[in-house]
Amino acid sequence: NAGVTQTPKFQVLKTGQSMTLQCAQDMNHEYMSWYRQDPGMGLRLIHYSVGAGITDQGEVPNGYNVSRSTTEDFPLRLLSAAPSQTSVYFCASRGGTLIENSPLHFGNGTRLTVT
Amino acid sequence: AQRVTQPEKLLSVFKGAPVELKCNYSYSGSPELFWYVQYSRQRLQLLLRHISRESIKGFTADLNKGETSFHLKKPFAQEEDSAMYYCALSGSGGYNKLIFGAGTRLAVHP
Repeated sequence: NAGVTQTPKFQVLKTGQSMTLQCAQDMNHEYMSWYRQDPGMGLRLIHYSVGAGITDQGEVPNGYNVSRSTTEDFPLRLLSAAPSQTSVYFCASRGGTLIENSPLHFGNGTRLTVT
Repeated sequence: AQRVTQPEKLLSVFKGAPVELKCNYSYSGSPELFWYVQYSRQRLQLLLRHISRESIKGFTADLNKGETSFHLKKPFAQEEDSAMYYCALSGSGGYNKLIFGAGTRLAVHP
């Protein structure tokens, strides 16, 4: 199992550009989520999904869109990048609803810089 | 508001010294607390959770509801313990909305 795979590892964008951060997991996990990690602020939840076709907002959803068309994939879209979105982004998944307290499995992260 | 506070950005100790990474939380309900760790060039991963009452890699953490704390302790630090440690809270949002602290970097010197 590859676990949680994020692409790309690094990305530089100009203000106003759009892009999609990819996240895929091969563990058949129902729950997937996106966090951003900023110095001094820890990890903050952007969006999450508890299954295909279901998404919900986290703590800092503004400026980001998500969709969950399959169990495996949970892309994060930045429609118009802003310097405030410069961060390290982590995708995480967790086992199904019958294992609610199962641990989060994290990807390796995507380091995004917006100039 | 629900919050996790890790007051130390950096904790620097020598090998063999005791370690205590502090975590305080604010939540009026019955919380569940976790410690996650990120070693250099590795993924963030679960270290331990309070409901399991387990010791992982020599680390333990006790939930103190009176002091709203969940400090991570190890009696004798090892160089391989050097990592970034995050305390996390499952509050009213449940397991779907874990709240993380800002993290503490532990540096264990030889």
